[in-house]
Amino acid sequence: NAGVMQNPRHLVRRRGQEARLRCSPVKGHSHVYWYRQLPEEGLKFMVYLQKENIIDESGMPKERFSAEFPKEGPSILRIQQVVRGDSAAYFCASSPKRGSSGANVLTFGAGSRLTVL
Amino acid sequence: AQSVTQPDIHITVSEGASLELRCNYSYGATPYLFWYVQSPGQGLQLLLKYFSGDTLVQGIKGFEAEFKRSQSSFNLRKPSVHWSDAAEYFCAVGAGLSNTGNQFYFGTGTSLTVIP
Repeated sequence: NAGVMQNPRHLVRRRGQEARLRCSPVKGHSHVYWYRQLPEEGLKFMVYLQKENIIDESGMPKERFSAEFPKEGPSILRIQQVVRGDSAAYFCASSPKRGSSGANVLTFGAGSRLTVL
Repeated sequence: AQSVTQPDIHITVSEGASLELRCNYSYGATPYLFWYVQSPGQGLQLLLKYFSGDTLVQGIKGFEAEFKRSQSSFNLRKPSVHWSDAAEYFCAVGAGLSNTGNQFYFGTGTSLTVIP
């Protein structure tokens, strides 16, 4: 039973390019969370999604950032026109639907480390 | 609003010494409480969790934590630290988000250094 799979593990982009980070949740998990971790800082919540639905995007920057979790396939965090300040580790976590066994626990992926040159 | 405070940014302990990492939370109801550990370059691994019942919870790797409602605290402890415990430790609170699911709030983390 694979855990949360994130890819790519490392991504290098030049300023102005687009970055796409993928997250496949634990099999059977329907909730996905994205967090950003900057050097020397903690985890900052970005967005919380269910299949085909954004539940809470209060942590997402208003511009250039978007996220989706389609009915089929992985969740994707998309950053358009990247800037150096976007360099960070981006972590995805998943949980089962509320009321399910284990619903109140997050399982994390290993993260995707974005470097913007 | 919900929040989690880890007052110690960095702690250094000697191998074999005891350890306590502090965590305070702000939440209106009884929260779900967690401790996660992150090794360099890795994701977060769940150490232990508290949902209800016995306020002293045991976790993996010899860690334990105690929920104290009166102090809004959930401090992590280990009686004897091993060099492999050097890592970043995060306290987190889980809270209900309407009827759709849970939201999770993380502290800023405590970096643990273990010296021989």
